[in-house]
Amino acid sequence: DAGVTQSPTHLIKTRGQQVTLRCSPKSGHDTVSWYQQALGQGPQFIFQYYEEEERQRGNFPDRFSGHQFPNYSSELNVNALLLGDSALYLCASSSPGLADTDTQYFGPGTRLTVL
Amino acid sequence: QKEVEQDPGPLSVPEGAIVSLNCTYSNSAFQYFMWYRQYSRKGPELLMYTYSSGNKEDGRFTAQVDKSSKYISLFIRDSQPSDSATYLCAMSEGNFGNEKLTFGTGTRLTIIP
Repeated sequence: DAGVTQSPTHLIKTRGQQVTLRCSPKSGHDTVSWYQQALGQGPQFIFQYYEEEERQRGNFPDRFSGHQFPNYSSELNVNALLLGDSALYLCASSSPGLADTDTQYFGPGTRLTVL
Repeated sequence: QKEVEQDPGPLSVPEGAIVSLNCTYSNSAFQYFMWYRQYSRKGPELLMYTYSSGNKEDGRFTAQVDKSSKYISLFIRDSQPSDSATYLCAMSEGNFGNEKLTFGTGTRLTIIP
C-alpha cells in the first residue's frame, strides 16, 4: 500500500517565479492538508482540501493556492515567490470517516529553494 | 508568543538513558495532543496521541498531558541510537484527522552509542 507521495523531491526557483507542487494521498484517504516547514521550525498549516473544496486555511497570503482533483490528489501553487518561501512543503492525507484512520499521514515533502 | 512552545535542543544523551521531551501551549481549546518523529529528509510520522489529560504508554514511550498546566511530555525509556531524530509535539482543537495541526518547533535528539 503506497503511502503519501509528493513530487518533485527538490525544486529550485528564482524570486518572482511560480511553482506547483503535487501530492497523491494514501489509498482510501480523501482529505489532503498542506504544511510549510522552514529550516529548524515545526510545520505550519497552510490549508486543507476535502471534496475538492478548501475547508480550512492557515495564516498564509493569497499567493498560496491549491486544488484537489476528483481522485483526491492535490496541488499547491505559490505565485510571486519570495526568498522566505524556501522550505520543506509537506502534504498530509487523512480520512476521518474511517474508524481506524483518525490521523494524518505525511509524505516525504518537497524541498523548495528560492534564489 | 507562539501557541506551542518547544525547546529546540539539541539534546544528546547516552544510549539507555531516559529522555524527557516537553511542550507548553497557550490555547485552552486544544483537545488532542500528539508526538511526531521526523528523521532527516523524511516527513513526520505519528508516534502517539492522547485525548485530553492523562497518560498513555506504548512500549518504551510514555506520553503525558496536564491540561491544567498546559504542559505535555514524552518520555523515552532505554533510549536507542535509532531514536535519534527530531521530535515534534502537535495539537489540535478537534479530531486530528480533519483538523489543522499546530506544531512545536521540534527537539533534535541524538542518542550516543
